Amino acid sequence: SAVISQKPSRDICQRGTSLTIQCQVDSQVTMMFWYRQQPGQSLTLIATANQGSEATYESGFVIDKFPISRPNLTFSTLTVSNMSPEDSSIYLCSVLDRGNQPQHFGDGTRLSIL
Amino acid sequence: KNEVEQSPQNLTAQEGEFITINCSYSVGISALHWLQQHPGGGIVSLFMLSSGKKKHGRLIATINIQEKHSSLHITASHPRDSAVYICAVRGYGGSQGNLIFGKGTKLSVKP
Repeated sequence: SAVISQKPSRDICQRGTSLTIQCQVDSQVTMMFWYRQQPGQSLTLIATANQGSEATYESGFVIDKFPISRPNLTFSTLTVSNMSPEDSSIYLCSVLDRGNQPQHFGDGTRLSIL
Repeated sequence: KNEVEQSPQNLTAQEGEFITINCSYSVGISALHWLQQHPGGGIVSLFMLSSGKKKHGRLIATINIQEKHSSLHITASHPRDSAVYICAVRGYGGSQGNLIFGKGTKLSVKP
């Protein structure tokens, strides 16, 4: 199964700043996703990272707030822009190679905004 | 009503006990996942099921498609099993990544 390395594992940031989270996979995968998990809540899909093109965002998430890059089949970044305390969450990278395979998750980035 | 319901929400067990976590869903699915989330936030995929039963070590997962219900069993539970267990289903169509997640079951196994 794919091994996912996500960095940073945690960070404490100031209001109004931006943070970029990196997701590196040890093999080429078809699909990469970014999820948010707010405190005490289920995971929510932010967007699907598309290789070489703009990400596909879910309702309620916009590119200006959560710009995503995916330059190749093994790497993606998520930036949380102009952060506010409401952005304090765990952000998770996830990959899926084929629809009939398990979906794998990274260790997450625990983000706190002061 | 949530599309994926898990029970119980919290579960405390003594080491060695047999544990069952239940998941009911209300949508048509192509697959159901059981995930384990550790306190640090990382998530491990335990099982992906579309029918029947799967076993891995002390873990057993079953699914009844007609009843739209799945169970995760842990035999001979151990304190290292303490984690949040999440049921997630993949429906038909829509975004490939759009698993629908349950709220999770927080398991604490006492020595």
